[in-house]
Amino acid sequence: DQQVKQNSPSLSVQEGRISILNCDYTNSMFDYFLWYKKYPAEGPTFLISISSIKDKNEDGRFTVFLNKSAKHLSLHIVPSQPGDSAVYFCAASEINGQNFVFGPGTRLSVLP
Amino acid sequence: EAQVTQNPRYLITVTGKKLTVTCSQNMNHEYMSWYRQDPGLGLRQIYYSMNVEVTDKGDVPEGYKVSRKEKRNFPLILESPSPNQTSLYFCASMRSPPGYEQYFGPGTRLTVT
Repeated sequence: DQQVKQNSPSLSVQEGRISILNCDYTNSMFDYFLWYKKYPAEGPTFLISISSIKDKNEDGRFTVFLNKSAKHLSLHIVPSQPGDSAVYFCAASEINGQNFVFGPGTRLSVLP
Repeated sequence: EAQVTQNPRYLITVTGKKLTVTCSQNMNHEYMSWYRQDPGLGLRQIYYSMNVEVTDKGDVPEGYKVSRKEKRNFPLILESPSPNQTSLYFCASMRSPPGYEQYFGPGTRLTVT
């Protein structure tokens, strides 16, 4: 059973609009959450993270929101740009930060 | 340039023929890890290493071996590959956990026939 779920395999958004990518988890011991972006034929690259003691973290156009009671986090991209088109993975780790669990990914397409 | 390198990038082999995928990082990171990516399953952790001579199993370690004799290198060994190990493999490194992001290599696409 997947501990980290991304229920939308794909998402299409118009350039300039907001992209919202969602992630749900089942393990209440997860303490640290990350988002990675992956382009074809490349390895994933880190985007943004959030600790369980926070409910929001912002970095430029990217904001991650964490709702611990709902075991849900989301990544907001505002405004979306064509270069944001990629697969986005949500990941989580427990407090020791050693073992990481990734979701299946959401493919974002930003249309010009 | 800070990077994680993997070799080979592509490999086609036959069932049972031992192979090694190398991974090296130049960032002096203590932590290194191997993942496999399969459609619909995302990245699944195979093994990780907290430092030299310290390795531990991830979520899908069966059929794989690793070693960490030097800080910069973390090879993945398939003693007897099988077709269900056909996958895209990524090596990653980061500073000592917790709370840091991983840097990933470019991936190795392995096909076992």
